Amino acid sequence: EPEVTQTPSHQVTQMGQEVILRCVPISNHLYFYWYRQILGQKVEFLVSFYNNEISEKSEIFDDQFSVERPDGSNFTLKIRSTKLEDSAMYFCASKKDTLYPQHFGDGTRLSIL
Amino acid sequence: KQEVTQIPAALSVPEGENLVLNCSFTDSAIYNLQWFRQDPGKGLTSLLLIQSSQREQTSGRLNASLDKSSGRSTLYIAASQPGDSATYLCAVRSGGSQGNLIFGKGTKLSVKP
Repeated sequence: EPEVTQTPSHQVTQMGQEVILRCVPISNHLYFYWYRQILGQKVEFLVSFYNNEISEKSEIFDDQFSVERPDGSNFTLKIRSTKLEDSAMYFCASKKDTLYPQHFGDGTRLSIL
Repeated sequence: KQEVTQIPAALSVPEGENLVLNCSFTDSAIYNLQWFRQDPGKGLTSLLLIQSSQREQTSGRLNASLDKSSGRSTLYIAASQPGDSATYLCAVRSGGSQGNLIFGKGTKLSVKP
């Protein structure tokens, strides 16, 4: 069964550095999402992406964050200047169409030192 | 603002028991509700998706019901097995959103052999 794949599985970065998290959504899916989960807390929505543009973003998704779909297969989340509180598990998700379920990747654990 | 609550936070049952996990949401204007399973350190596996017009969905030993007017959903697991041990998350897509999901904190299930 097709899967959403995320790389790397674990990223350790110094505070203030830029980090790029990568995702390959399921190939025929049209809607793409990033979520994060701080240890012990709820999964939180960050941003949704459709038709090559951001369709919705949360208060968490400030100017430090950006997303790109550079080549029709990858979907990336960039954090420009990381902070300690950015440490979390970041999940990418995709879905085929509006009435279909979202499918999640295994996540990238981001640790900011 | 939509809030999703899951009760209980943790549940331990002997193998073979039938069990019910509860999810409640504050705003009944939802598009759909999705149940996920999360294993430790892993991503989210979609279990069932219920559209707002539906009352229930079934997949194998799992049955999810939705009572939109009262803001509740239940996940029924029949004949539980040790392999069912995981955290179960409930998430709703609110009516005004572009598809982002709002999650509960989950119920951590432990099925003892």
